[in-house]
Amino acid sequence: QSALTQPASVSGSPGQSITISCTGTSSDVGGYNYVSWYQQHPGKAPKLMIYDVNNRPSGVSNRFSGSKSGNTASLTISGLQAEDEADYYCSSYTSSNTRVFGTGTKVTVL
Amino acid sequence: EVQVVESGGGLVKPGGSLRLSCAASGFTFSSYTMNWVRQAPGKGLEWVSSISSSSSYIYYADSVKGRFTISRDNAKNSLYLQMNSLRAEDTAVYYCARVLYSSGYPSRNDYWGQGTLVTVSS
Repeated sequence: QSALTQPASVSGSPGQSITISCTGTSSDVGGYNYVSWYQQHPGKAPKLMIYDVNNRPSGVSNRFSGSKSGNTASLTISGLQAEDEADYYCSSYTSSNTRVFGTGTKVTVL
Repeated sequence: EVQVVESGGGLVKPGGSLRLSCAASGFTFSSYTMNWVRQAPGKGLEWVSSISSSSSYIYYADSVKGRFTISRDNAKNSLYLQMNSLRAEDTAVYYCARVLYSSGYPSRNDYWGQGTLVTVSS
């Protein structure tokens, strides 16, 4: 199972919006609406930010939103803040009853 | 408060074995599927293995199949990962994570531990 493809880095200025893409196949992202996104600060455990493509867990800012089109899912962060600087990973359920993560994207707030 | 705490990491020689543990509290452990996820130094997350609530369904990543064994003891609220024939590329922080379902499918990991570091080196 190959990792989902994400851009290595994305940057933006405070207040701007950025979008991170996550490209898979019809056996994972394209085949199921079970894409989730995780935020990870250095030295910390991952934190769930979005699940089932576009749902936010309780306590996660509404500045975070998700979407999907075909084999590509996307995470959008609006009103970018300094605390959003972190690594972000997408993840999807797969047709093999396994899970696959994305390659990861480093978000930099300029 | 939901907590999962990993332990058992350390330095091991190539070809050696190690057993990781994950102690769960604050939720009904026996009702949840659990995952192991690892992260090599400076690298991304990699799903390793999954075990259903009653141990009926177990899955492994191809990279560890035949070498790693996941298990659980619901009476002790504990998850385990027995790692044999360890290789340098198994060096990573290993996380234990709870799984939530949507419409019968394992949808996401909502709680993660802080991880335990496994280093495979001679």
